[in-house]
Amino acid sequence: QSVLTQPPSVSGAPGQRVTISCTGSSSNIGAGYDVHWYQQFPGTVPKLLIYASTNRPSGVPDRFSGSKSDTSASLAITGLQAEDEADYYCQSFDSSLSGWVFGGGTKLTVL
Amino acid sequence: DVQVVESGGGLVQPGGSLRLSCAASGLAFSNFAMTWVRQAPGKGLEWVSGISGSGRSTFYADSVKGRFSISRDNSKNTLYLQLNSLRVEDTAVYYCAKQKGLIRENYAMDVWGQGTTVTVSS
Repeated sequence: QSVLTQPPSVSGAPGQRVTISCTGSSSNIGAGYDVHWYQQFPGTVPKLLIYASTNRPSGVPDRFSGSKSDTSASLAITGLQAEDEADYYCQSFDSSLSGWVFGGGTKLTVL
Repeated sequence: DVQVVESGGGLVQPGGSLRLSCAASGLAFSNFAMTWVRQAPGKGLEWVSGISGSGRSTFYADSVKGRFSISRDNSKNTLYLQLNSLRVEDTAVYYCAKQKGLIRENYAMDVWGQGTTVTVSS
């Protein structure tokens, strides 16, 4: 059971907007710690997609955006493309565990 | 370009030991915290251990505390993870990652290696 809760799967048609939620608690996201998002294609290495809740590393399309509120965070993908089909993970810090924690991951399917 | 390359994985029996290495290039290695993350077959990402740039501060997930030990040699630009008392549930791909951020609690993992596979089985 992950400290950060993500839906196991989401789906959308090409061109649509999808969001992936990441729900935490007062010892992690609710404590004000940053949330980061990673994208992982099958059989490949995770890639940093969003850092510090809302920032995109160089090279990440602006179709990807992040937000945070209270004890949860969200990743939004607009203009969905077939190449976006991957697993997405949120990550933050948990003060009770004194360490970094990941969500369980969400598999995005482009219909 | 910043790169990190892991090595040292393999097949080991339960109770055995292994030492993983992560060679970094293209960065002032001692300026950056580093971390290990693992991924069991078909499962999600799990943070394992982290170390400050100087090596003076180390951090562990509860699942590996007392069994794994993280260290670094800044003169060799290399990160290590000593795995002792290995269990079947430690079977995973182990990734080395560079961390970025202003304060430890808000570190993101911005550069990842290709991973090294550890299999614990009798």
